[in-house]
Amino acid sequence: DAGVIQSPRHEVTEMGQEVTLRCKPISGHNSLFWYRQTMMRGLELLIYFNNNVPIDDSGMPEDRFSAKMPNASFSTLKIQPSEPRDSAVYFCASSLTGNSNQPQHFGDGTRLSIL
Amino acid sequence: GQQVMQIPQYQHVQEGEDFTTYCNSSTTLSNIQWYKQRPGGHPVFLIQLVKSGEVKKQKRLTFQFGEAKKNSSLHITATQTTDVGTYFCAGKKDTGRRALTFGSGTRLQVQP
Repeated sequence: DAGVIQSPRHEVTEMGQEVTLRCKPISGHNSLFWYRQTMMRGLELLIYFNNNVPIDDSGMPEDRFSAKMPNASFSTLKIQPSEPRDSAVYFCASSLTGNSNQPQHFGDGTRLSIL
Repeated sequence: GQQVMQIPQYQHVQEGEDFTTYCNSSTTLSNIQWYKQRPGGHPVFLIQLVKSGEVKKQKRLTFQFGEAKKNSSLHITATQTTDVGTYFCAGKKDTGRRALTFGSGTRLQVQP
């Protein structure tokens, strides 16, 4: 079975550029989560969706960050304009339902470097 | 906001030694999950605890949920090099935010 699929795996770009990260959740999973991982701040939840609807975006750092889920099989996280402090590994995860007692399945992540 | 702290941040053990990581919350948790992340990899779900005082075992790993449901521990008996990685707990508050909050993680290094 295919797991959570993220693209690209690596992205290196210059500050000021728009960055788009993509995620395909596991088929049949109704909840999708975007996380950011850094050495300093650990694993932070940015936003999560339930049935394609954003439920909690309180973790989104600022207006430069936006996330969409146009359908059940696709989500994007955009950073515009990007800054060097956005450099991190961004994970997408999905779970069967939005209930917190469901395990989350993580993708391989996107390693983002902003120069 | 909810704080989920883990100690220690880092531990280096000799292969065959035991290892324990502790997870502490400032508030009561409705459930707690544990994940393992190998170096360069992504977090992988290990187990979930729901009941007060619950203890679960997976081979050499023992997971415990505190009586007050504010803390949890993961104990590895006789570590192996395959245990290397970062172990995260993730908890859900009884009230408030619906999503899990991940702890800061404990990085385990095992010396062969």
